Amino acid sequence: GAVVSQHPSWVICKSGTSVKIECRSLDFQATTMFWYRQFPKQSLMLMATSNEGSKATYEQGVEKDKFLINHASLTLSTLTVTSAHPEDSSFYICSALRQGNEQFFGPGTRLTVL
Amino acid sequence: AQSVTQLGSHVSVSEGALVLLRCNYSSSVPPYLFWYVQYPNQGLQLLLKYTTGATLVKGINGFEAEFKKSETSFHLTKPSAHMSDAAEYFCAVSPTGNQFYFGTGTSLTVIP
Repeated sequence: GAVVSQHPSWVICKSGTSVKIECRSLDFQATTMFWYRQFPKQSLMLMATSNEGSKATYEQGVEKDKFLINHASLTLSTLTVTSAHPEDSSFYICSALRQGNEQFFGPGTRLTVL
Repeated sequence: AQSVTQLGSHVSVSEGALVLLRCNYSSSVPPYLFWYVQYPNQGLQLLLKYTTGATLVKGINGFEAEFKKSETSFHLTKPSAHMSDAAEYFCAVSPTGNQFYFGTGTSLTVIP
């Protein structure tokens, strides 16, 4: 099956710093990628839809200036958590949509903000 | 608005017993429906999906689900649970096949 990678898998940062998370589709091109957030023992919450070459579409309640998304190429989308605070600590999961509307998930990135 | 309800945040079954995980959805149009499994600290793996056609869908690892439009349900079953089935299971709905909305998840415990 198709492979989606995320980097880093775990990041710890100080409060106030910015963190960039990469999502790559390794063996297919994805015009659309999604970013989710998952709190412990909870479901995935769709944060935004990332479209190659255009601005991301954010779900209601998600701060676009806080969570910057850039879909620079057909295989790469990045999520930057700006001025991170402890409440931003979470598990961030991306997915990539392959032709035929098949969605493949990355392994997730655990963000811990001290 | 789309919503997905998974009844029972925790389900325990004995090894070899039937697994039944419930999922109900609300959607203004017939949606695409999915079940995913998540193991600790990992991403999601697709178990099965319903798009069109036959309402009984077979997936990986012996799982299957039936789309019942009249009940707006898409329950996941497996005839005989294995220890390796212990994981978190998520039901998801997608109205267009593009954006996905997930249920709150059901944690499955398999008792030896």
